Amino acid sequence: DQQVKQNSPSLSVQEGRISILNCDYTNSMFDYFLWYKKYPAEGPTFLISISSIKDKNEDGRFTVFLNKSAKHLSLHIVPSQPGDSAVYFCAADKLAGGTSYGKLTFGQGTILTVHP
Amino acid sequence: DTGVSQDPRHKITKRGQNVTFRCDPISEHNRLYWYRQTLGQGPEFLTYFQNEAQLEKSRLLSDRFSAERPKGSFSTLEIQRTEQGDSAMYLCASSLALVGSEQYFGPGTRLTVT
Repeated sequence: DQQVKQNSPSLSVQEGRISILNCDYTNSMFDYFLWYKKYPAEGPTFLISISSIKDKNEDGRFTVFLNKSAKHLSLHIVPSQPGDSAVYFCAADKLAGGTSYGKLTFGQGTILTVHP
Repeated sequence: DTGVSQDPRHKITKRGQNVTFRCDPISEHNRLYWYRQTLGQGPEFLTYFQNEAQLEKSRLLSDRFSAERPKGSFSTLEIQRTEQGDSAMYLCASSLALVGSEQYFGPGTRLTVT
């Protein structure tokens, strides 16, 4: 069963506009969420994270929103740049006793293309 | 330290052969993870270590798979009697065992079983 889902396989956006990537989860035990970006021939790189005690976290052009009641999170990129073109994965984790549980559950990924 | 490294980057093997992959984590990281990724999917958790102890292994993982981290530094992942379904990208990651400590991934080893 897919506990973390990214229902949009791809997204195409014009440079300078907003990119919104969505992610849904089913396991209510998840309490820490992360976004990773992946370029071809490279491993995923960490972008931004959010704890379940927050509903928003911002880092430069990247903002993650969490709606716990809907079990939904989204990543906003403003403004989008051609270098943001990559595959974006959301991932979920459980925290135990103040540390990460250690096992990330990933969504299928969304291919973002930002056109100049 | 330049990050997580994996060796080899590519491996082609015939069905039934054994293969071993190596991962060198970021030196100060005490956690090391193995994931597998197939086309169109996100990374799937296989197993992880804290120092030299293997703390969890996915129940989906066949007994043909074994991982070690003998001195709490590098790790090896061995697949015995490979099958075509084992063809995938094998990713290694490392982190500190702290809240908010993100996992840093290596470039992966792409395995093709013919």
